[in-house]
Parts: sequence; structure tokens; C-alpha cells
Amino acid sequence: TQLLEQSPQFLSIQEGENLTVYCNSSSVFSSLQWYRQEPGEGPVLLVTVVTGGEVKKLKRLTFQFGDARKDSSLHITAAQTGDTGLYLCAGARETSGSRLTFGEGTQLTVNP
Amino acid sequence: DAGVTQSPTHLIKTRGQQVTLRCSPKSGHDTVSWYQQALGQGPQFIFQYYEEEERQRGNFPDRFSGHQFPNYSSELNVNALLLGDSALYLCASTAGGKGHAPAKNIQYFGAGTRLSVL
Repeated sequence: TQLLEQSPQFLSIQEGENLTVYCNSSSVFSSLQWYRQEPGEGPVLLVTVVTGGEVKKLKRLTFQFGDARKDSSLHITAAQTGDTGLYLCAGARETSGSRLTFGEGTQLTVNP
Repeated sequence: DAGVTQSPTHLIKTRGQQVTLRCSPKSGHDTVSWYQQALGQGPQFIFQYYEEEERQRGNFPDRFSGHQFPNYSSELNVNALLLGDSALYLCASTAGGKGHAPAKNIQYFGAGTRLSVL
């Protein structure tokens, strides 16, 4: 059973378009992290959200943590080719310390 | 400030062999976690080391073992390799024993070791 369901699994869009990636769970997380991973490299942390309803912005990226801390979304405005990569959400639970449970990832391709 | 470093970057082994992967945590970090990432999937937690002891373990067989040294570096050992062990093995470090949540639980990843089992 996958604790974190991420959708869509694949996304191919044109430069300039907007997109949203979703991360859903039936479990409550104490924090949720979003990572971006490029081929041959490890995941790079984009943001950590810890408060229900929290919204964080990182340039053209907007991250939201659900009120109940069970889900999260990543919205990218005016996507650029440099946004291409694998986006991963990962949750930490109260009882698990820093151990992360990852979603399956969303492979984003932004075409010129 | 060096980040998390892993070695080797690539490794090819045959079924039944044993392998050792190495990780040096980010400066100031004392907790190391290992993850396995199969192609096209998200990372899966293997285990975590703190104060030279295994603190948590995921759903992996005993063929997977580890060690943490006094300088906080860590090794992942896999015995009796299977074809299905082919994956990217990621090491992540946190300042788990120091500081306050949530900052102390933020994990920083190395570039990984790509293991191919033939």
C-alpha cells in the first residue's frame, strides 16, 4: 500500500503553461517535503511545509499543505524548460522522526 | 561546506555477490538514512543510523545491513545480491540529534550509487 499517492505520474506540457501536481494520503504527516530530482542525481529539497493550510512560494512554484495535513499540491506558473525533472513529495510522520515516505513521483517534461 | 557524498557512483555486480556502499553526511549532521530507488519509482526507506546504531528499519530483508562510524559516516552492505537489487541507492543526512524540529528532520540527499546486478 502506497501511503502517498502522487498524480499525475507523467506530465508533458509546453513552455509557458501552468500545471499542478497533487500528493494525497489518508495518513496525517507532521511535515511534508517536495523534492526535484534530475537524472543521475539525488533529490534536491525545494520546500518543507509543516502547518495545516500553509502556503509557500518559491518564485514560480507555489506549495500548499492541506488543512488536515494529509495532502499537498505543487503549482508551477508559466513553466520553463528548466523545470523539467522528477518531482517527489515525501512525508514525515510524528512517530517516525525524520524517516520519509515518498510518493511515486511526477515526471514533468516542459517542451520549448 | 561539503554536502552528502557517496561512493562509488556506479557499480556492477553479479548475482550472489556482496556489495558495500559508502556515505559521508553533510557537515554538522549526525544521522544517516539509506533509501533504495528503483527506476521510475520514489525512494524506499531502508534504515537509519544514529549514534552508531540502527534506529529505524524499513521493509527490507536481513541481506541489507549497515554501519555507522564515530565520524558519522555510514556504510550499506547488501549480501547475496539479486537482480531485483539493481537500483539507485541514496544516502540522506539530518541533524537529527541536534537542533529542533522541523529543521532537524530535513533530509539532504547525496547523488546516489547506481548499482547494477547482472
